[in-house]
Amino acid sequence: AQTVTQSQPEMSVQEAETVTLSCTYDTSESDYYLFWYKQPPSRQMILVIRQEAYKQQNATENRFSVNFQKAAKSFSLKISDSQLGDAAMYFCAFTTGTASKLTFGTGTRLQVTL
Amino acid sequence: NAGVTQTPKFRVLKTGQSMTLLCAQDMNHEYMYWYRQDPGMGLRLIHYSVGEGTTAKGEVPDGYNVSRLKKQNFLLGLESAAPSQTSVYFCASHSAGLGAREQFFGPGTRLTVL
Repeated sequence: AQTVTQSQPEMSVQEAETVTLSCTYDTSESDYYLFWYKQPPSRQMILVIRQEAYKQQNATENRFSVNFQKAAKSFSLKISDSQLGDAAMYFCAFTTGTASKLTFGTGTRLQVTL
Repeated sequence: NAGVTQTPKFRVLKTGQSMTLLCAQDMNHEYMYWYRQDPGMGLRLIHYSVGEGTTAKGEVPDGYNVSRLKKQNFLLGLESAAPSQTSVYFCASHSAGLGAREQFFGPGTRLTVL
């Protein structure tokens, strides 16, 4: 069974600074996909970034980037130039196969301070 | 284009009552999912469907039933609600195709069982 671990229940960052959220996973599969989802107080789940395991290049979406270390089974999210609107719960998620059943971590609550 | 909608948004039930949660998507997606979100546990898959007329169990299926009679709708039923089913329920969907597709989530339904 696949598992996803987020060891930081809460993180805090000052506006305009950089923060890194950690995620590790466990799987015996060689082909899989990793995601970071953002959940603001509205409860809506929003995809932030995705990474295919077969790609060596780390994914980047504007201020969001990942550090994907396949051998270490690590998938961290870096948020640069943090903004107040980045405050939310962040979930790391994992899936294999076409039926993209997601396995989620327990989430990291990110606070952004002035 | 409404995306994924869920009905109702909130509901309070008494133990033993039954109810059905409706998920509808207007994106012609093949795959649909029901997750539950509990504090400190992330999202967990209840049931899913890979196409009209098909359903399958996820990680936590006990106490729930589902039906996918129409491609655009995915119903989640609670036959005899229990306090342990107090949770926020999310529906998600995605298109068919190679690799893991982005899941689009509904806004969630907050269910309280007294």
